[in-house]
Amino acid sequence: DARVTQTPRHKVTEMGQEVTMRCQPILGHNTVFWYRQTMMQGLELLAYFRNRAPLDDSGMPKDRFSAEMPDATLATLKIQPSEPRDSAVYFCASGPMSSGNTIYFGEGSWLTVV
Amino acid sequence: GESVGLHLPTLSVQEGDNSIINCAYSNSASDYFIWYKQESGKGPQFIIDIRSNMDKRQGQRVTVLLNKTVKHLSLQIAATQPGDSAVYFCAEKDWSGGTSYGKLTFGQGTILTVHP
Repeated sequence: DARVTQTPRHKVTEMGQEVTMRCQPILGHNTVFWYRQTMMQGLELLAYFRNRAPLDDSGMPKDRFSAEMPDATLATLKIQPSEPRDSAVYFCASGPMSSGNTIYFGEGSWLTVV
Repeated sequence: GESVGLHLPTLSVQEGDNSIINCAYSNSASDYFIWYKQESGKGPQFIIDIRSNMDKRQGQRVTVLLNKTVKHLSLQIAATQPGDSAVYFCAEKDWSGGTSYGKLTFGQGTILTVHP
């Protein structure tokens, strides 16, 4: 049963620390998305990759966030330094790059910055 | 102090009733639409999709209706069950080109509560 895998599932960290979230997209999917979900903003798109190249990261705070795809099986989202306002659930999703194809979500990384 | 946050639309129904969840979208370049269900503590889960060349699509107990004229999407759930209680999101996919190509944008969500 193919699925998007995210680690860690839960993370509590102190303000100022670096946080790295990882995602393994579904094999064969060439689009990868990072979303952030909060009560205040709902589901926000942070970054979007196609064939490992960043296509749109306009939703991501550039000063502290960075997203990469070192290879086709790994996407990373880093926050350095982390702040309490970064506390949220971060979802990774992947899909094939074809019109009419849905994307599938992981279970999320629940981040708390204290 | 007063809590601040998204005020999601809510829908409460009795078990066995039919539910209709509505969504308005804004991007006329979107040509593919998806409904997701999100249960507490989980990621959004695909329910049903529809392309813009269709106005209706049916699945098991669910039907999606698309009205492109008024940019409106609805999800109908037949014989709603307590297990259907969740937040439901509509999402639209943009194929207009450039950096928006293939981008999936979500609506704010609707909370569905099903009472036994």
